[in-house]
Amino acid sequence: AQSVTQLDSQVPVFEEAPVELRCNYSSSVSVYLFWYVQYPNQGLQLLLKYLSGSTLVKGINGFEAEFNKSQTSFHLRKPSVHISDTAEYFCAVSPYGGSQGNLIFGKGTKLSVKP
Amino acid sequence: NAGVTQTPKFQVLKTGQSMTLQCAQDMNHEYMSWYRQDPGMGLRLIHYSVGAGITDQGEVPNGYNVSRSTTEDFPLRLLSAAPSQTSVYFCASSYSAWTGENIQYFGAGTRLSVL
Repeated sequence: AQSVTQLDSQVPVFEEAPVELRCNYSSSVSVYLFWYVQYPNQGLQLLLKYLSGSTLVKGINGFEAEFNKSQTSFHLRKPSVHISDTAEYFCAVSPYGGSQGNLIFGKGTKLSVKP
Repeated sequence: NAGVTQTPKFQVLKTGQSMTLQCAQDMNHEYMSWYRQDPGMGLRLIHYSVGAGITDQGEVPNGYNVSRSTTEDFPLRLLSAAPSQTSVYFCASSYSAWTGENIQYFGAGTRLSVL
């Protein structure tokens, strides 16, 4: 079984500051890793994903994440945030290859960007 | 190309009433799923389907029924609504569940209140 822990439920930052949203996972098998973003009153949309290869992945809107297998982490970063980045961010995992790819989500991190 | 369409957007029910949440996708996706989102709980899988005629239970299936008679539609039925089913419901779809890459596309959600 897999589980996902997002270490911060809320992260307040000022505009143009850097931000890191932390995600750790637990799994007995290899997994694919995802970050989804949910803007207020909207559905979720994919921000970025790690399937294989380079451990640093880049996503939309200037976000990037780094997969660390030894620490079972997949932290999301942005060097300079904007007001429009205010949203809830979800880390998710899916078992690797050949099995039903049901997503397991973390509980979410609310990013609040202040002027 | 509408993507994943959920109706209604909002619904208020009385305890014991039944209703169906509709979900349709126009991307010819094999895999469809229903999640519920509750504050501080992230998204939890209710039911999923890997193709027409095939459904299975997720993490929190009690009180919900599903069927998949066509590739496009995956309705979620509440047989006898309870206040504990007050939540935001999201439908999602992806090309296939079996690759594990499982990039899911989400609808805008249905906000349900059970009084």
